[in-house]
Amino acid sequence: GDSVTQMEGPVTLSEEAFLTINCTYTATGYPSLFWYVQYPGEGLQLLLKATKADDKGSNKGFEATYRKETTSFHLEKGSVQVSDSAVYFCALPNSGAGSYQLTFGKGTKLSVIP
Amino acid sequence: NAGVTQTPKFRILKIGQSMTLQCTQDMNHNYMYWYRQDPGMGLKLIYYSVGAGITDKGEVPNGYNVSRSTTEDFPLRLELAAPSQTSVYFCASSLIGVNTEAFFGQGTRLTVV
Repeated sequence: GDSVTQMEGPVTLSEEAFLTINCTYTATGYPSLFWYVQYPGEGLQLLLKATKADDKGSNKGFEATYRKETTSFHLEKGSVQVSDSAVYFCALPNSGAGSYQLTFGKGTKLSVIP
Repeated sequence: NAGVTQTPKFRILKIGQSMTLQCTQDMNHNYMYWYRQDPGMGLKLIYYSVGAGITDKGEVPNGYNVSRSTTEDFPLRLELAAPSQTSVYFCASSLIGVNTEAFFGQGTRLTVV
């Protein structure tokens, strides 16, 4: 079945450091790919998405490129801020017939220290 | 703009008790979902609905029930609470399925003792 594997956390960075959170997937075909973010005490919200191969999703300084050759969708940000501290989830739609499930990675907790 | 609203935010139940987690959305979305989030495990789908009157099981439906009598509301029922149901529960909605953005409520933290 479809699956998502993302790097385990927690990740602790100093402010203005470069961030990479790895995400690889297994799926039938070429599904849309998503990054969701969960700030402390809140629900998940969409951070960015890409709908086809070689697409780059971007939002709030974060970027991720849909790489079908390596089945990856790594999340990057050039200079993190304290306000980026959150849990980040990679996700894809389950491609099973009649399935309406988003398959999530286990989440990567990011802490940014001043 | 309220989005997806869940109540309550916190609840402690005793083993064997019942409760209903409420979820309502004001975006006229057809699709609604219930997920549970356990530490280090991501989110698992419990039940989903593609429209009023239509519900179906997700990955982990045992011990839960749902109904969808209106487009706006999608309550989740726990009939006989068990410690294994201690979790954070999220309701979500989307316009036309999982390829579109899902909007999440703030969650309900449930502890069964």
